[in-house]
Amino acid sequence: DIQLTQSPSFLSASVGDRVTITCRASQDISSYLAWYQQKPGKAPKLLIYVASTLQSGVPSRFSGRGSGTEFTLTISSLQPEDFAAYYCQQFNSYRLTFGGGTKVEIK
Amino acid sequence: QVQLMESGGGVVLPGRSLRLSCAASGFTFSTYTFHWVRQAPGKGLEWVAVISADGITFDYYADSVKGRFTISRDNSRNTLYLQMNSLRPDDTAVYYCARPRRGVITDPFDYWGQGTLVTVSS
Repeated sequence: DIQLTQSPSFLSASVGDRVTITCRASQDISSYLAWYQQKPGKAPKLLIYVASTLQSGVPSRFSGRGSGTEFTLTISSLQPEDFAAYYCQQFNSYRLTFGGGTKVEIK
Repeated sequence: QVQLMESGGGVVLPGRSLRLSCAASGFTFSTYTFHWVRQAPGKGLEWVAVISADGITFDYYADSVKGRFTISRDNSRNTLYLQMNSLRPDDTAVYYCARPRRGVITDPFDYWGQGTLVTVSS
């Protein structure tokens, strides 16, 4: 299976901060990477797919970059509603593995 | 609008069985591959299983559930199932059904159910 390693696993930030989360794949997955946001008690929400395409309705402060084995999710100016957990997911293989998650909390 | 609603979760003894359902509406269910994903309490997301749109062509499983869980669907009822046998405490999780964005097997999930909690405990 393709392994995804997210860093950091925990991040403390303030409203207005620029935040970047990294996801590294154990093998080349081209651009077949997605990012999700999950709030407590809720299902994950798709933010970005094929590494950099914003899902409909997602604010433009979210952006994704990368290809191959290294990817990033950036929130350009953190808003109160962005405090949540974030997961990357590869869809290069039908065994759709997820990263371990990054929890973004209020400083 | 697209809706996915899981049911069937609960508390079950180790070694017993449980069947989860996911009722779909608001789109043409029979044209979409479908997945189950789970999340243990306080942990990350784990892919569990996938089934083809016709329910016949393929089904694949995570190693952790292979041989114990069976994914199936009834396209006439717009419903996805997960039959879980020989349950273990480490199967305790919220189980989500999830729809791939374009309906194909290798695609991220644009719709998820609200989840149903399965607790395996004596």
